Amino acid sequence: GAVVSQHPSWVICKSGTSVKIECRSLDFQATTMFWYRQFPKQSLMLMATSNEGSKATYEQGVEKDKFLINHASLTLSTLTVTSAHPEDSSFYICSARDSIAGSGNTIYFGEGSWLTVV
Amino acid sequence: KQEVTQIPAALSVPEGENLVLNCSFTDSAIYNLQWFRQDPGKGLTSLLLIQSSQREQTSGRLNASLDKSSGRSTLYIAASQPGDSATYLCAVDNQGGKLIFGQGTELSVKP
Repeated sequence: GAVVSQHPSWVICKSGTSVKIECRSLDFQATTMFWYRQFPKQSLMLMATSNEGSKATYEQGVEKDKFLINHASLTLSTLTVTSAHPEDSSFYICSARDSIAGSGNTIYFGEGSWLTVV
Repeated sequence: KQEVTQIPAALSVPEGENLVLNCSFTDSAIYNLQWFRQDPGKGLTSLLLIQSSQREQTSGRLNASLDKSSGRSTLYIAASQPGDSATYLCAVDNQGGKLIFGQGTELSVKP
């Protein structure tokens, strides 16, 4: 079945540094991917919609200059947390929509990435 | 703006019980509704997806229903087992893949 790979699964970084998280669709093409954030004991909140070959669409309240999203190919989207602060520590998870006609626009989720900023 | 609410927030039951988790949404113009399971510190496992034209879906001991007009969905778990312990999330898709999640129901099944 379709798989979305997210890397890294865990990352610890120092305050002020940048961290990149990758989301790959392994056996299907995804013109659209989505990035979510989940704080402990809370639900998933959509951060942005990543569109292949164009700029991402950010949800209200999400800083586009802090959370840089690049979707350079049909199988890869990246989220870069710039100048990370401890309050950015969270679980980040991506999803990808199968772009092929007839797939039912099925959504597949990655395994998520735990970010800890110290 | 779509809002998704799940009740109860937490539920503890003895093994073997049948149980129902509830999900409500404010905007009935949805593409589909999906139930997920999330284990602590892990990603999401998709359990059941109900298209907007469907009324229910079944998989093993799980049955999910959808009533679009009233903005409600239920997840029925039959003969619960300790391995069912997890957080169950309901999510609606009403804009091409952007999922709006409920807060989740944390289920604990006691042996």
